[in-house]
Amino acid sequence: GESVGLHLPTLSVQEGDNSIINCAYSNSASDYFIWYKQESGKGPQFIIDIRSNMDKRQGQRVTVLLNKTVKHLSLQIAATQPGDSAVYFCAETLNTGGFKTIFGAGTRLFVKA
Amino acid sequence: DAGVIQSPRHEVTEMGQEVTLRCKPISGHNSLFWYRQTMMRGLELLIYFNNNVPIDDSGMPEDRFSAKMPNASFSTLKIQPSEPRDSAVYFCASSSGTGFGYTFGSGTRLTVV
Repeated sequence: GESVGLHLPTLSVQEGDNSIINCAYSNSASDYFIWYKQESGKGPQFIIDIRSNMDKRQGQRVTVLLNKTVKHLSLQIAATQPGDSAVYFCAETLNTGGFKTIFGAGTRLFVKA
Repeated sequence: DAGVIQSPRHEVTEMGQEVTLRCKPISGHNSLFWYRQTMMRGLELLIYFNNNVPIDDSGMPEDRFSAKMPNASFSTLKIQPSEPRDSAVYFCASSSGTGFGYTFGSGTRLTVV
């Protein structure tokens, strides 16, 4: 499950700092967005989602912001911990008659202890 | 619930051989997805099923790939004949609907030599 691109954007943060991971999505018709976390050797894990009628949603230590005007999604992680080190993917879902979810390339987050 | 179960975890096969990957979705989930993850292309949707019916197979790369879902608790992805460029991690995911987050399995790492 760790076969992600060698040239992924990388974010390195100090333990305890806040992290912001950004994502540009491709289709203005997308109406549902999800952030996933993928640790080495595992499948992607759902973190938080947001629908297009919202611009902010908060979870435990995580916040997702959606800016439909510029097709931008961000994930904020508060008080980042070593266990947050992983690759983070944004995903957009659009209704094409059926639903289709497209994943971004991912961002690798390193947390320095 | 044991989550989405995939088998085998690892598969090494020779070029030209048939490969069958298996998936058991979460009980009660009515949507099932097959993804492929590579370093070059990231996570790609191959096919998805709704209520055991294939809805969108536009991501299936070639006729060598086929997928079935004979019942709500089992799906297979078959590659015949396999080629070295099919080497990747193949993920199965399920959800309770096509507008909701997915639960991924641990993946099958396929190596074709």
